[in-house]
Amino acid sequence: GAVVSQHPSRVICKSGTSVKIECRSLDFQATTMFWYRQFPKQSLMLMATSNEGSKATYEQGVEKDKFLINHASLTLSTLTVTSAHPEDSSFYICSASAPRWGLAGRETQYFGPGTRLLVL
Amino acid sequence: DAKTTQPPSMDCAEGRAANLPCNHSTISGNEYVYWYRQIHSQGPQYIIHGLKNNETNEMASLIITEDRKSSTLILPHATLRDTAVYYCIVRVLNAGNNRKLIWGLGTSLAVNP
Repeated sequence: GAVVSQHPSRVICKSGTSVKIECRSLDFQATTMFWYRQFPKQSLMLMATSNEGSKATYEQGVEKDKFLINHASLTLSTLTVTSAHPEDSSFYICSASAPRWGLAGRETQYFGPGTRLLVL
Repeated sequence: DAKTTQPPSMDCAEGRAANLPCNHSTISGNEYVYWYRQIHSQGPQYIIHGLKNNETNEMASLIITEDRKSSTLILPHATLRDTAVYYCIVRVLNAGNNRKLIWGLGTSLAVNP
């Protein structure tokens, strides 16, 4: 259980174009989804947190107009990198969480396999 | 900012126990300790988490000190497939009142044949 998928697994695009990445929880309903970015040899950096049906909360320094997040349902969140530039090339990872046993504070994040974005 | 401290790297012989330490001296009373691992070019994999009691599951054991300022992840019989970066994380509330994970650089564990 607790499987999270991402699509696509890798994408190459031209500078100035937009790229959409999908994140799905396959066997559970995710109340919250998280988007991370990871550069080579660095740790994961949280970009934003989204709850189904509400606006995402972005971390400091992350441009909300450049990284559009839509959390339309309890099983799907999308991240759109608008007007991508080479410096946006990175490994983008999503995670999804749901309360365990209905107890607050017991949520566990389960991660997708990641999407490797290369902007030329 | 990461709220945990881990050694940058460790080695372990295949079949032996791997003990990965983590310091979280500023942890507050209601913060959980989570362990994840990340194999190269993959998303992180959940291992285990705990609040104050020791925990065990099919993957590992988590030993938390009584003062909760440190913990140890134990892989009882390490295999080559356990080679990965292991992250010890505490969870905090963010501005949207969601609980987020603060990631450090983790411990790169190499299991040797």
